[in-house]
Parts: sequence; C-alpha cells; structure tokens
Amino acid sequence: GAGVSQSPSNKVTEKGKDVELRCDPISGHTALYWYRQSLGQGLEFLIYFQGNSAPDKSGLPSDRFSAERTGGSVSTLTIQRTQQEDSAVYLCASSLTGGSRYEQYFGPGTRLTVT
Amino acid sequence: DQQVKQNSPSLSVQEGRISILNCDYTNSMFDYFLWYKKYPAEGPTFLISISSIKDKNEDGRFTVFLNKSAKHLSLHIVPSQPGDSAVYFCAASAAVIGTSGTYKYIFGTGTRLKVLA
Repeated sequence: GAGVSQSPSNKVTEKGKDVELRCDPISGHTALYWYRQSLGQGLEFLIYFQGNSAPDKSGLPSDRFSAERTGGSVSTLTIQRTQQEDSAVYLCASSLTGGSRYEQYFGPGTRLTVT
Repeated sequence: DQQVKQNSPSLSVQEGRISILNCDYTNSMFDYFLWYKKYPAEGPTFLISISSIKDKNEDGRFTVFLNKSAKHLSLHIVPSQPGDSAVYFCAASAAVIGTSGTYKYIFGTGTRLKVLA
C-alpha cells in the first residue's frame, strides 16, 4: 500500500542556497508532522499540520525555516539560506488525526547535506 | 531541556534472551507513550503504545510497562531475535496548552539494540 513518501531522498546543497523538501502523506491522514534527526540525536519536532493549518510551529529553529501544506495533502518544508548546522535527516510523518493515541507513519526521510 | 530521556545509547543481547529498553520522562502531563523502531535508511515504524492510565500493554513478544510514580517506562522484548536489531525510540505526547486537539510529540534520543545470534 502507499505509505508516506518524501523527496528527494538525498540533497546536497551549498551553504546559503535555499532548499525545498517534499512530503506526500498517506491519503486520508489529516495530521502531518515534520521532524529532523541530526547525527547522534533524537527526533527533533519541527512543525505539525492539522489539515492545511499549523497549530504548532514551535519547533522551527529559525525564521529561515517555513512549511506549508496544500489541499490537506502534500507538504513542503523550505529552508532558506542553508547553513551547515542544517545538515540532518528530515523526516515527515502522518497520522489519521492529531489525537495523541494515533500512531504516526513515517516516510524514509530526506538526508540534507550542506557543504 | 530533554523531557524524554533514553540514557542507554546502545544495548547488546544474546538471541533468545530478554531485551529491556528504558525511558524516563519529566513532564507529568504526558498522556500517551509510544515506542518506535528504526532500521538504517528507513523512517521509524510504530511498535507499541500505552496510555497513561494503564501500567502494562502487551503485543506478542513486546510488552511496555509504565511506572507513573517513577516517570519511567520500559519496553521488553522476549525472546529477542536478530531481526529486532534496530534503534528504538521512546516518544511521549501531551496536549499543547492553549489549543484544542493539538498534541506535541517528544522523542528520546534512541537506544541501538543489537541482538547477537
């Protein structure tokens, strides 16, 4: 069955460039989450969407990071003027709804390397 | 401030024996706890969960125990199999204050389990 997909799987970019990461959640899932995992670290929460709105953006590390979700489906995470510390695996997850008891289904992640 | 802590970065267990992965938390408002398993180059996959009103949940070889007074939960895998070798993440959820129906998930740093054949 169709799970959560993310693209690209790998992205190498030069410091200062902008990047866009894409997430296609499972069809019908209204909740969508972005996380990042830096080397040796746990999953760091970035942003949560319920439908097209983002009730919790508290995890975005700086104003260089933004995300949007359209049509209650696809989401893009944009990082402007990338820095080397942005290098990490960016994971997207979706769940049926935003309740705490609904497990999240994760995509394979996008590995971002900023040189 | 790490609200969910997995203090053991790695664990090695002999095949057939019990694996015990531990997780400690600091926020008494967490109402649900989940365990995820992650293989290299893949996203985490859900394993088992437990509500804060329970102290045990079992699913096949996997059992999660919750000790609310100690703010501690553990995942037991018995018997352990080589295919269980992965990184295990503990996660906790709590309602975001000031919102309705919005939950925040906090993940630990993970424990790498290696099951030796």
